[in-house]
Amino acid sequence: KAGVTQTPRYLIKTRGQQVTLSCSPISGHRSVSWYQQTPGQGLQFLFEYFSETQRNKGNFPGRFSGRQFSNSRSEMNVSTLELGDSALYLCASSATGDRTDTQYFGPGTRLTVL
Amino acid sequence: QKEVEQNSGPLSVPEGAIASLNCTYSDRGSQSFFWYRQYSGKSPELIMSIYSNGDKEDGRFTAQLNKASQYVSLLIRDSQPSDSATYLCAVGKYGNKLVFGAGTILRVKS
Repeated sequence: KAGVTQTPRYLIKTRGQQVTLSCSPISGHRSVSWYQQTPGQGLQFLFEYFSETQRNKGNFPGRFSGRQFSNSRSEMNVSTLELGDSALYLCASSATGDRTDTQYFGPGTRLTVL
Repeated sequence: QKEVEQNSGPLSVPEGAIASLNCTYSDRGSQSFFWYRQYSGKSPELIMSIYSNGDKEDGRFTAQLNKASQYVSLLIRDSQPSDSATYLCAVGKYGNKLVFGAGTILRVKS
């Protein structure tokens, strides 16, 4: 099976712009979670989608949003970019979305905000 | 107190030795625990998952869970230079949320 794919792999944006990141889960997986990784804060949970519904959300401002399509592909959007949004954004998929289910990570999108 | 705590390291061990990585968590109701390995510039990859008290072995890796002490550990036997990476401990929460520790940097010296 192909793994989790994320596009684009690298992005450079300027403050105030918005950005959309895409994630394709492993075939058959219904749950997609998004994480932000920074040197200072480590890996932090953004939100999770299961069957097109946001099921859980982390402590991030409303500028961070996402959605999931019927084929389980997911996108996340960050509006009004700030310098502090520079990070590695990771998508993870799991089959059932149960808390005991293994999450498999994609390669990530490296976002740089100038 | 952070929800998941790890010693940031670096932990340095000689090639062939046993590396011991530790993690504590604060939520006594936690049910699932994961160890991920992350090489510099790469995404995390799963090494082990553990759900019950005791030991779970997979090749050179052994995960240990003690729910009473709220403690999870990962042992790496016969450590190799290729094991040099950051090891992330994660606790599974409702809604498929993983809460990660800050990670322990492991350096295996040949």
